[in-house]
Amino acid sequence: DAGITQSPRHKVTETGTPVTLRCHQTENHRYMYWYRQDPGHGLRLIHYSYGVKDTDKGEVSDGYSVSRSKTEDFLLTLESATSSQTSVYFCAISEGPHERGRGLGEQYFGPGTRLTVT
Amino acid sequence: GDSVTQMEGPVTLSEEAFLTINCTYTATGYPSLFWYVQYPGEGLQLLLKATKADDKGSNKGFEATYRKETTSFHLEKGSVQVSDSAVYFCALKDFNKFYFGSGTKLNVKP
Repeated sequence: DAGITQSPRHKVTETGTPVTLRCHQTENHRYMYWYRQDPGHGLRLIHYSYGVKDTDKGEVSDGYSVSRSKTEDFLLTLESATSSQTSVYFCAISEGPHERGRGLGEQYFGPGTRLTVT
Repeated sequence: GDSVTQMEGPVTLSEEAFLTINCTYTATGYPSLFWYVQYPGEGLQLLLKATKADDKGSNKGFEATYRKETTSFHLEKGSVQVSDSAVYFCALKDFNKFYFGSGTKLNVKP
């Protein structure tokens, strides 16, 4: 199994508070992603990173920011949480085009973080 | 833009029945295609993959063939088991971005 951990695994917070979710990998993969999963929507990309300090927006990036200061860590921040951000958040990693690994660029997922904003 | 469409569920089958979950895609480049499976309370796990037209991905009795002419990647299994009950996601990778379908829940009854 790919070495991906997410913390915390569960969090309940109040509307308007800042929240930071952490994704940590031990695979040294170049690409890291944050998704949210909601019923009827599948997985939707929030932000992704293609290297240290290199990030880009996904399809549902409003209200979220990310940072990647080290290869192994990718942080997702909700600056001011809203009830619409109640969801399950998944981190994923994948190899870059010049990495030599066992796969062909598929993604590996973390266990998820269940966030409830009250 | 790129997108993935898969059949809505839930799909309910009896054990040993034949399974098909339809998946079609739209892509601007030459995508790789994947099926992922998600068991309750867990993250997504890669089930199988195909990187070019006519490739067949297979794993644990599941198969899917990359059909460029019909832009499809349907998942099949000849005989499902109760342990196959899960949510299945079709996905494509194009230029290092991934696009997922909305998922199909499979319930297999003994």
